[in-house]
Amino acid sequence: QKEVEQNSGPLSVPEGAIASLNCTYSDRGSQSFFWYRQYSGKSPELIMFIYSNGDKEDGRFTAQLNKASQYVSLLIRDSQPSDSATYLCAVNMGGSQGNLIFGKGTKLSVKP
Amino acid sequence: SAVISQKPSRDICQRGTSLTIQCQVDSQVTMMFWYRQQPGQSLTLIATANQGSEATYESGFVIDKFPISRPNLTFSTLTVSNMSPEDSSIYLCSVAGIVDEKLFFGSGTQLSVL
Repeated sequence: QKEVEQNSGPLSVPEGAIASLNCTYSDRGSQSFFWYRQYSGKSPELIMFIYSNGDKEDGRFTAQLNKASQYVSLLIRDSQPSDSATYLCAVNMGGSQGNLIFGKGTKLSVKP
Repeated sequence: SAVISQKPSRDICQRGTSLTIQCQVDSQVTMMFWYRQQPGQSLTLIATANQGSEATYESGFVIDKFPISRPNLTFSTLTVSNMSPEDSSIYLCSVAGIVDEKLFFGSGTQLSVL
């Protein structure tokens, strides 16, 4: 069974803090990893992707990948109330193009 | 990324009826994907729609329930047939990037079945 696991939250952090979102996946051979942000009532929006072990930074966002531990995380620095959303982790586990396995998402709340 | 338009954005339907969801992309794409997001559940791929061939369905989804059309490289429809309350969900159209696996989603259709 191909699975992506995330804590459902809610994860609550104060404004300006670092939010850390975590994800584990079941298929050791997975190669592509994605983070989507989904505001309530809206469709998912791609915010980060990572293919290699290590860190990848883009503005306030850092994606971290550890294939040996089958673990991927998203750090959001200087969290803002506008970051409050559900964050979805998605993994391509060797399926056809477009066939991503999604976690259920972690709800993040950033308090002013 | 492509601009992906879906309609309707939401609908309330009676059980036993069918609803067709339309997806329009502003550029030509080889493959279009239909996902479902049930309440409290993860996004799940229903099928892949290729222009000029039958859609490829994922395990647990069948053509009789979710017929798909793909008449050209910018348009696709998904029909939810003989609906039941269990079909209440968000349905999302998506396309992949040209050279990689990044998925981009349309605005979604919120379906409620009474």
